[in-house]
Amino acid sequence: SQQGEEDPQALSIQEGENATMNCSYKTSINNLQWYRQNSGRGLVHLILIRSNEREKHSGRLRVTLDTSKKSSSLLITASRAADTASYFCATVPDSNYQLIWGAGTKLIIKP
Amino acid sequence: EAGVVQSPRYKIIEKKQPVAFWCNPISGHNTLYWYLQNLGQGPELLIRYENEEAVDDSQLPKDRFSAERLKGVDSTLKIQPAELGDSAVYLCASSRGGDNTEAFFGQGTRLTVV
Repeated sequence: SQQGEEDPQALSIQEGENATMNCSYKTSINNLQWYRQNSGRGLVHLILIRSNEREKHSGRLRVTLDTSKKSSSLLITASRAADTASYFCATVPDSNYQLIWGAGTKLIIKP
Repeated sequence: EAGVVQSPRYKIIEKKQPVAFWCNPISGHNTLYWYLQNLGQGPELLIRYENEEAVDDSQLPKDRFSAERLKGVDSTLKIQPAELGDSAVYLCASSRGGDNTEAFFGQGTRLTVV
């Protein structure tokens, strides 16, 4: 079963613009993670944010977490063609250490 | 550090035939996952191992799917007999275990059942 729901399902922007993707979930979590999947390749871990954190940065990535709204956002600044990929959020519930995945956001960066 | 290794990368079989996938996780990673991924969707968990113990196999169709992780290292996922609806990418991932849940994925096996 999938807990996370990413929004939007697809996003197309011009190179250089910022891209924002959102993730909503249902149960109390230990942490939330974002992954990227390029076409035909495996998933790559981008960033993890714990339930007691509100914001985290890694290079051009900024993740926020609002546990009261059970939602997270991933911001990619100054997008590049190489950022074209599908982005997934995965939550780790409080109750166990499994990863529960959303359906992903397909991001297309137009040159 | 070597990543998660899966084989084969691609497999085409006729329906009702058996098929097996192999995964070698990152050395020292106690947790191993098998996922199924359909086009345009997120990974769906089939089974999760902590060392050699299957701790979550509630989504594994046990009438035709089986998995093992002997000695708590590499793992095999088998389908017998395969059905047309089993066509998908089968992903293996590993993590250190416990509350260290960052997952490292292999390239996956793309299965086509004809």
